[in-house]
Amino acid sequence: EIVLRQSPGTLSLSPGERATLSCRASQSVSSSYLAWYQQKPGQAPRLLIYGASSRATGIPDRFSGSGSGTDFTLTISRLEPEDFAVYYCQQYGSSPPTFGGGTKVEIK
Amino acid sequence: EEQLVESGGGLVQPGRSLRLSCAASGFTFDDYAMHWVRQAPGKGLEWVSGISWNGISIGYADSVKGRFTISRDNAKNSLYLQMNSLRAEDMALYHCAKGWGRFGESQRVFDYWGQGTLVTVSS
Repeated sequence: EIVLRQSPGTLSLSPGERATLSCRASQSVSSSYLAWYQQKPGQAPRLLIYGASSRATGIPDRFSGSGSGTDFTLTISRLEPEDFAVYYCQQYGSSPPTFGGGTKVEIK
Repeated sequence: EEQLVESGGGLVQPGRSLRLSCAASGFTFDDYAMHWVRQAPGKGLEWVSGISWNGISIGYADSVKGRFTISRDNAKNSLYLQMNSLRAEDMALYHCAKGWGRFGESQRVFDYWGQGTLVTVSS
């Protein structure tokens, strides 16, 4: 199975700053079948990005995804207070689908 | 509005069984693949099992293969997970999740999630 490693584990930033989250795969993710999710405490995950760079319905354009092959990035251009959460990447190009360990974006 | 509501979790002894249910509403249930994804306390997400819209294609994580069985009843808009021979490492919040796309790999993107039902395995 494909192992996804996310870095950093924790990102400490202030509102208004830019956040850059990394997701690296143990082998190439076919056709950029890579998704990103946001999870806040006590809530279910929320789909942000699919196909490495396509925003899901209702997701603000400050969220963007990029990358291909084994290296992917989620960028939040200007952090809003509601963006402080844990973010997970997930590959769905091969079975089983697998998740990264998550990056926590916390208020500095 | 799409909604997924899980039930059936609870405290169970190691080696015993439990059956989880997920009631779906707000979308055409029998058009989409459905999945179970779990999250151990304070940990990340782990896909457990998935089932195609018609129940023909089924997959399991290696960690549960041979012990868990996924099923669905399209007439009742419901998804199930029969969990046998439970272990301490199965203790987690179990989410029901809807596959986003209707075909191919997109079925393994999860666009709607339930709040989860907690399974505690302890003697």
